[in-house]
Amino acid sequence: KNEVEQSPQNLTAQEGEFITINCSYSVGISALHWLQQHPGGGIVSLFMLSSGKKKHGRLIATINIQEKHSSLHITASHPRDSAVYICAVRLNWSGGSNYKLTFGKGTLLTVNP
Amino acid sequence: NAGVTQTPKFQVLKTGQSMTLQCAQDMNHEYMSWYRQDPGMGLRLIHYSVGAGITDQGEVPNGYNVSRSTTEDFPLRLLSAAPSQTSVYFCASSRPGTTNSYEQYFGPGTRLTVT
Repeated sequence: KNEVEQSPQNLTAQEGEFITINCSYSVGISALHWLQQHPGGGIVSLFMLSSGKKKHGRLIATINIQEKHSSLHITASHPRDSAVYICAVRLNWSGGSNYKLTFGKGTLLTVNP
Repeated sequence: NAGVTQTPKFQVLKTGQSMTLQCAQDMNHEYMSWYRQDPGMGLRLIHYSVGAGITDQGEVPNGYNVSRSTTEDFPLRLLSAAPSQTSVYFCASSRPGTTNSYEQYFGPGTRLTVT
């Protein structure tokens, strides 16, 4: 079983809609990342969270450590938001370094005009 | 800053050939890693390094070698290419202990096809 589960796998929306992508994980973590990957493109870090909520423009990321759950919201979605959104967690690691990330499989978002 | 750079962008190899994927960063990051991305699967860690002279295996290390002789460079070597190594490869770096601790910076990727 993957330690990081994302839902939905695919999401199609109309321009202007409010989008929510979910990420659940099964182990203790020290941080959670949201990443964006455009088709055929590179990977960009959107947020890094260890608690609470962060906002950048139309993007909002929240995390609930007790419930082991995070959400990425996009307000007033636009076709340029079409991309794969990837959740990744940094596991709690008592010994040595904890730099490694474990990734979800990604959510493919398509926003139609 | 150029950030994280990778070369080549595309490569086609025949089975059994060897090659090196190059990765460099100019942000003085201590931590560097190589991932492969395959359809229907999340990014998987191949090898990583926490500093010059220190490397370790990730989730899928077989068939790959790395070295870290400088902070800037982290090349990935395919010893004898196999079709199963057809994938998109991403290099990433981060610098723990700063304000943006552990924020990952990714290179543009190398698309490798092994025939």
